Amino acid sequence: ETGVTQSPTHLIKTRGQQVTLRCSSQSGHNTVSWYQQALGQGPQFIFQYYREEENGRGNFPPRFSGLQFPNYSSELNVNALELDDSALYLCASSPPGASGANVLTFGAGSRLTVL
Amino acid sequence: AQTVTQSQPEMSVQEAETVTLSCTYDTSESDYYLFWYKQPPSRQMILVIRQEAYKQQNATENRFSVNFQKAAKSFSLKISDSQLGDAAMYFCAYRWGGSNYKLTFGKGTLLTVNP
Repeated sequence: ETGVTQSPTHLIKTRGQQVTLRCSSQSGHNTVSWYQQALGQGPQFIFQYYREEENGRGNFPPRFSGLQFPNYSSELNVNALELDDSALYLCASSPPGASGANVLTFGAGSRLTVL
Repeated sequence: AQTVTQSQPEMSVQEAETVTLSCTYDTSESDYYLFWYKQPPSRQMILVIRQEAYKQQNATENRFSVNFQKAAKSFSLKISDSQLGDAAMYFCAYRWGGSNYKLTFGKGTLLTVNP
């Protein structure tokens, strides 16, 4: 079975630009969550998607948005990029069921640098 | 709000020795889960061990075990017979037992294993 794959692995943008990061969830997983990991910090929860709808959000502004597709893959979009958006963005998928939240599978991340 | 604190930014251990990583957390909830995740350099985060708050028995997974002190809100990770492959960043994380999949992470402890 394939794990969680993210693309691109690295990218550089300039302030004010927009970026889209992509995530393919592990086979059989229907929930996707996104985390931002700044340098030297632990990951911070951005939001999660279930059945193509956002059903949980952390303390991030509306310029952070996402999508989930029928095949459970997901996108993270960030508009009007700021320098502080430079970070590793992690995607995690989890299987159905009440215990699914306890078996998150993480991708290797997309490292975004904003200049 | 729930918080997770890892007070040791860096730790080192000799190969084959034992090391303990510390974690404290703050919550007013009674239903929650605690996790230790391992993040090797440039590789994806993987789950090391999980503890359900309602279980008094400490979780163990091969060379990894935890000391869960619920009243003290402490959750330390013990790695026995340390191996070179254990070198990584270790994150302690908390999840409320409700439907939201959000994990709250500490800032991490960088573990170095010396040969």
